[in-house]
Amino acid sequence: DVKVTQSSRYLVKRTGEKVFLECVQDMDHENMFWYRQDPGLGLRLIYFSYDVKMKEKGDIPEGYSVSREKKERFSLILESASTNQTSMYLCASSPRTVQETQYFGPGTRLLVL
Amino acid sequence: AQSVTQPDIHITVSEGASLELRCNYSYGATPYLFWYVQSPGQGLQLLLKYFSGDTLVQGIKGFEAEFKRSQSSFNLRKPSVHWSDAAEYFCAVGARSGGYQKVTFGTGTKLQVIP
Repeated sequence: DVKVTQSSRYLVKRTGEKVFLECVQDMDHENMFWYRQDPGLGLRLIYFSYDVKMKEKGDIPEGYSVSREKKERFSLILESASTNQTSMYLCASSPRTVQETQYFGPGTRLLVL
Repeated sequence: AQSVTQPDIHITVSEGASLELRCNYSYGATPYLFWYVQSPGQGLQLLLKYFSGDTLVQGIKGFEAEFKRSQSSFNLRKPSVHWSDAAEYFCAVGARSGGYQKVTFGTGTKLQVIP
């Protein structure tokens, strides 16, 4: 069974802290994605990666960075957390071709105080 | 650039009634279209997808969707809703952008099922 896991289900951090969200997939997928989900806004793409050490900005990359040192792992980094980054963060992976399904992790709900 | 519109934020149906969730997309070429479902506290799961062939697509859990190019629509249907279908539903359009896969999601429709 395919699986995407995220390091935490819930996180509480303080403004200015550095935050790491980790995502691991076991399907040998080339593509990995980070989204944030907010009520009424749906899913918005933060960053994606199509190969190890490669990354591309999505629609809302400001305030975030990413790292992909191994094919199975994709990390999202909030360099200095702010209250407007309180959100649900979803990781997904997919094979390379455009028509392929994305497989999602359960999400990390982040609260920044 | 592609875009997706889900005009209904929230829908309530009675258990056993039929369901149709609307989705309109904007994309210049033939799109790749998806419907995902998100149960409370969970990630998204694929219900069905369309990228070519028969315009009526069957998915899991008894759902189907019809691609209508003339209307730029990809509406999701189910003939008889079960209480377990209460969830949020997302339509998405995929396209190749700069050599990469890019999927754009709609804002979602939250489905409430009443007894």
